[in-house]
Amino acid sequence: DVKVTQSSRYLVKRTGEKVFLECVQDMDHENMFWYRQDPGLGLRLIYFSYDVKMKEKGDIPEGYSVSREKKERFSLILESASTNQTSMYLCASSVSSGGGLSTDTQYFGPGTRLTVL
Amino acid sequence: AQSVTQLDSHVSVSEGTPVLLRCNYSSSYSPSLFWYVQHPNKGLQLLLKYTSAATLVKGINGFEAEFKKSETSFHLTKPSAHMSDAAEYFCVVSLFNDYKLSFGAGTTVTVRA
Repeated sequence: DVKVTQSSRYLVKRTGEKVFLECVQDMDHENMFWYRQDPGLGLRLIYFSYDVKMKEKGDIPEGYSVSREKKERFSLILESASTNQTSMYLCASSVSSGGGLSTDTQYFGPGTRLTVL
Repeated sequence: AQSVTQLDSHVSVSEGTPVLLRCNYSSSYSPSLFWYVQHPNKGLQLLLKYTSAATLVKGINGFEAEFKKSETSFHLTKPSAHMSDAAEYFCVVSLFNDYKLSFGAGTTVTVRA
């Protein structure tokens, strides 16, 4: 079974702190993604990576950065946390099957609920 | 551009009765369509996906969905609801050759005993 793990289930930080959210997948997937989930808005893509050291902005990258130094690990960084970044953060991964990227199933981690005070 | 509209934010059904979750999409190209389920305090799990093969797609746990191009719909159904079906369901669309998924706002399903 594919397993995507996230470093924390719950996190509480103060405004202005630098925050690191870690995600690890164990299936040698090329693609990794960070989303945030807010009630009534579904999931919105923050960043994704299709290879080590490669990254692309998603729909809401402002206030976030990412790092992918190893294939299995994708980190989301909040440089200076703000209260409007309080949310559920979900990491996902997928393999590039070559049959069309849109058909690739994404496998999700359990999520990190971040509260910024 | 692409977008997804889930027509009901909340659906309540009795155990043993049918479930219908409605989803409409807009896309300029032939999309791939997915339904994901999220149980409380869990990550999202794929229920089923449509990728331009058969228009009636069968998924896990007795769910199925039908792609109707003329109606731009991809409604999810299950003939008989079970208590374990209580969860949030997301309709998702993606364009061919694009990494990005567009998620609907979600439909919360409640199952009454």
